Amino acid sequence: QAQLVQSGVEVKRPGASVKVSCKASGYTFASYGISWVRQAPGQGLEWMGWISTYNTNTYYAQKFQGRVTMTTDTSTSTVYMELTSLISDDTAVYYCARDQGGVSRNFEYWGQGTLVTVSS
Amino acid sequence: AIQMTQSPSSLSASVGDRVTITCRASQGISNDLGWYQQKPGKAPKLLIYATSILQSGVPSRFSGSGSGTDFTLTISSLQPEDFATYYCLQDYNYPRTFGQGTKVEIK
Repeated sequence: QAQLVQSGVEVKRPGASVKVSCKASGYTFASYGISWVRQAPGQGLEWMGWISTYNTNTYYAQKFQGRVTMTTDTSTSTVYMELTSLISDDTAVYYCARDQGGVSRNFEYWGQGTLVTVSS
Repeated sequence: AIQMTQSPSSLSASVGDRVTITCRASQGISNDLGWYQQKPGKAPKLLIYATSILQSGVPSRFSGSGSGTDFTLTISSLQPEDFATYYCLQDYNYPRTFGQGTKVEIK
């Protein structure tokens, strides 16, 4: 059974960076891309970007271009999302989510979420 | 980017009611649409993909329909465990975009 396990809670100052990890298990890592989705408190879901675990190609939402970097470590089946120049509006739960595969590119498996709080 | 407009933003319903949620895309997305259920403090759960295909393990009271720009999620007989927030997602192209969400509350 596929599983995504994310790193723990982060508290950051404005202007700092955060790097969240997402460790995959239970399937062939390089066969399915990973997206990152965030959810601010009381708000909806916001797609941030996607990385191919096969060739590390990326797509980023325009809103995060220049501030977000997604990378992979195939040796540990881990995907990373780094967000720089943090502001209070970046306070959110950050999720990684795996592509479903086949005819659909929906998100079949999700990590448990990582709360990132940005506060001075 | 494709905009997904979901309605209503919230609704109140009783157990046993038929509930319909709609999502409209700003341009045609073929049948590349999924529906998710999210409960407080939990990650979203995929219910339906490719507009109408039920994800494994999802009860048959959930169904999806539509094509092009207009899509619908229907819960035929609302159960207590269905009170949650529902989101649509277009997987037609990048950037992926979600609808704003529909909170289904107990009447």
